[in-house]
This record gives sequence, structure tokens and C-alpha cells, in this order.
Amino acid sequence: DAGVIQSPRHEVTEMGQEVTLRCKPISGHNSLFWYRQTMMRGLELLIYFNNNVPIDDSGMPEDRFSAKMPNASFSTLKIQPSEPRDSAVYFCASLRQGIDTQYFGPGTRLTVL
Amino acid sequence: GENVEQHPSTLSVQEGDSAVIKCTYSDSASNYFPWYKQELGKRPQLIIDIRSNVGEKKDQRIAVTLNKTAKHFSLHITETQPEDSAVYFCAASISAGNMLTFGGGTRLMVKP
Repeated sequence: DAGVIQSPRHEVTEMGQEVTLRCKPISGHNSLFWYRQTMMRGLELLIYFNNNVPIDDSGMPEDRFSAKMPNASFSTLKIQPSEPRDSAVYFCASLRQGIDTQYFGPGTRLTVL
Repeated sequence: GENVEQHPSTLSVQEGDSAVIKCTYSDSASNYFPWYKQELGKRPQLIIDIRSNVGEKKDQRIAVTLNKTAKHFSLHITETQPEDSAVYFCAASISAGNMLTFGGGTRLMVKP
């Protein structure tokens, strides 16, 4: 198993640009989580999906952030427009409901200039 | 909802000494408690977990203890080595396979 796959691994963009982060969960996993990690705020849960349905998006900072999961093997996190304070490492994680623990992807390091 | 507090936030030990990290949780319905290790620039990775039907679990140099009555659990690392230096996160959930609530993390530094 390839594990959770995220792309890109690094993203540098300018303020105001749209950023799209991508995640492929482990095959057979039916819950998916997006986290943001910074030195100041630690590991924050942004949103999670069960069976492709968003369950809790209370961690999404503001309307500039949106997430989708069109099918069981793909999810996106979009920031539009991006701001320097969005600079962070964004992790995707997945698990198999009721059975398994949570596994993290390698993360996307986002820098907004 | 669940709230997990983790202490200390930083911990420095000499190589060979033991390290203990403690977490408390608020929701008595929580029954699953994993620990993750995050090395610099890497992803958090599960190192050990414990379920509420046991009080202690060991895996080589690491052990976890759980006190459900007091709602706290701890990670113990014996004979620490420089490669143990990392950030450690505790977490809690109602069961394996459900959303985790993470503690704030402990930065462990093992000095050679």
C-alpha cells in the first residue's frame, strides 16, 4: 500500500492566488481529514469527511477555504484568495471507520508570499 | 466535545534517561488513545496505542499507561536515544476508527 498521497509536496505562491492541495487516501479508508500545522497553533483539524460527505467543517478558518471529496479516492483543499497567514504545512489523513487508526500523508508545505 | 491537554510542552533529557509525557482528557466516553511521533519535517506517525480495556501496554522501550478513573494517560520512554528527539502527540477517540482529538504536542530533546 502506498499510504496517503498528497500533492504537491511544496507550493510557493503569491498573495491573492488560488491554491489547490490534493489528497488520495489509503485504499479502503472511508474517512478523510485535513489538518493545518503551524508553530504557533500546532495541529488544527480543518474538516473531515465520512464516506465522501463533509461531517464537520468548523475548523475551516474562513470562507476563503473550501474542501471537496468527489469520490472515495480523492479530495481537494482550496484556498482562494491565499494570504501570507495561510503559510503552513497541510496534512491529509485517512482511516477505515470503526476498524483502524488514522494515517497521515507526507504533507504539503505552503508558502504564500 | 473532547478536550485533550498534554504536558509538558517541551522536555529535555540526557541520553539514557527516561522521559514521561502526560495527557488528560475530558470525555469519559473516550476509549482509544494513540500516540504519534513527528520528526522534524516529517508526518506524524503512530508509535503505540492503548484501548480502555487495558491499563498498560509496552513495546520495547516505550510504554503507555491509562487511568480511566482519573482520565489521564501517559507515554513512557526508557533508555532514551538521540533518535527519540521529536514532537510527540497524544490523542483520544471514542474508538479506533473514529475522529481523533489531539493534544498540543511535546517537543522531546534527547541530549547525547
